[in-house]
Amino acid sequence: ETGVTQSPTHLIKTRGQQVTLRCSSQSGHNTVSWYQQALGQGPQFIFQYYREEENGRGNFPPRFSGLQFPNYSSELNVNALELDDSALYLCASSLTSGGRADTQYFGPGTRLTVL
Amino acid sequence: GDSVTQMEGPVTLSEEAFLTINCTYTATGYPSLFWYVQYPGEGLQLLLKATKADDKGSNKGFEATYRKETTSFHLEKGSVQVSDSAVYFCALLLDSSYKLIFGSGTRLLVRP
Repeated sequence: ETGVTQSPTHLIKTRGQQVTLRCSSQSGHNTVSWYQQALGQGPQFIFQYYREEENGRGNFPPRFSGLQFPNYSSELNVNALELDDSALYLCASSLTSGGRADTQYFGPGTRLTVL
Repeated sequence: GDSVTQMEGPVTLSEEAFLTINCTYTATGYPSLFWYVQYPGEGLQLLLKATKADDKGSNKGFEATYRKETTSFHLEKGSVQVSDSAVYFCALLLDSSYKLIFGSGTRLLVRP
């Protein structure tokens, strides 16, 4: 059984640029959630994708967007990067069945640094 | 609103000491409760979970009991090891929701 994988591991960008982060969900899972973890803090929910649609969104601006593909993998896109976007971005996969979400399993994260 | 409060760290213990990390929550409805662990430079690993009141989650010597009356889910281990040094996050998932709500994390440092 393959766990959740994310790419790239690290990324350095400058203010105003755009970035795409990728996530492959654990086998058998159909739902992907994205979280932002600033240094020394707990993860904050960005959004969740289920059946290739956004299933819920946290308090993040529209320049944070995402996609889910038919194989359940997902992308997180961030436009017009700001210094405060520097963080660890975590992807979590889970199985949604009967309208109920199960336990979320996390990938290793992508460390984004914005200069 | 819904939230999780954890004891502030760092918690520093000697090897083989008893560990307690306090976690309390505020939530509408009946959430599922989780402990995740984050080792340096890594993502989150699920440590244990409990889905209803009085359930006890356990894994790798760690335990936590879902106490509805005190809205708590304290993490305990009888004898910690140096390898347990990490940041521990308590989190809740509402039955009607899709997002995990995390506490701010508690850093544990175990000295030989």
